[in-house]
Amino acid sequence: TQLLEQSPQFLSIQEGENLTVYCNSSSVFSSLQWYRQEPGEGPVLLVTVVTGGEVKKLKRLTFQFGDARKDSSLHITAAQPGDTGLYLCAGWGGYSTLTFGKGTMLLVSP
Amino acid sequence: DTAVSQTPKYLVTQMGNDKSIKCEQNLGHDTMYWYKQDSKKFLKIMFSYNNKELIINETVPNRFSPKSPDKAHLNLHINSLELGDSAVYFCASSRQNSNQPQHFGDGTRLSIL
Repeated sequence: TQLLEQSPQFLSIQEGENLTVYCNSSSVFSSLQWYRQEPGEGPVLLVTVVTGGEVKKLKRLTFQFGDARKDSSLHITAAQPGDTGLYLCAGWGGYSTLTFGKGTMLLVSP
Repeated sequence: DTAVSQTPKYLVTQMGNDKSIKCEQNLGHDTMYWYKQDSKKFLKIMFSYNNKELIINETVPNRFSPKSPDKAHLNLHINSLELGDSAVYFCASSRQNSNQPQHFGDGTRLSIL
């Protein structure tokens, strides 16, 4: 069974601070996705990273895929209250299934 | 236009009852899924269907029976509901390629009394 460990589980910060969320596994994934989920809604895809070492930017969000394709990070610069939500990493591995991490709940206060 | 829609949004029922959740997608995707999200927000795959055929059944009790009448629909029927079935159930769809994004419905919150 492929597992993805996310850290931290909870993060409460002030507007304007920077933060990093980590997603780690002992397994290799062919690609990794990051989703954000808001209360009462389903997860929405933010990005897919495919190549080891790949870095993708989405405005103030920077995503990195580890060289060995076993880990990933999400860095948010100058967090805003609108960034509040549950961030989920998910890896495509064998058996055509998407394995989700347990999520990081981010709260950004004004 | 809602891409993946599931009904009902809330379902409150008693232990032992049978209930169904419906899901429809208008994205033209080949693959549909059911996920269960527990109280700790952990999202776990239950079933995956590709072109109406079951691809994945992740050790789900056989009280759960998915049915796909066509490519755009994947319904979930649950027999003899138990307290531990309380959760939010999400339907999702994607193109067949594994790197494609999954599009989720807004979830069905199932509460067993």
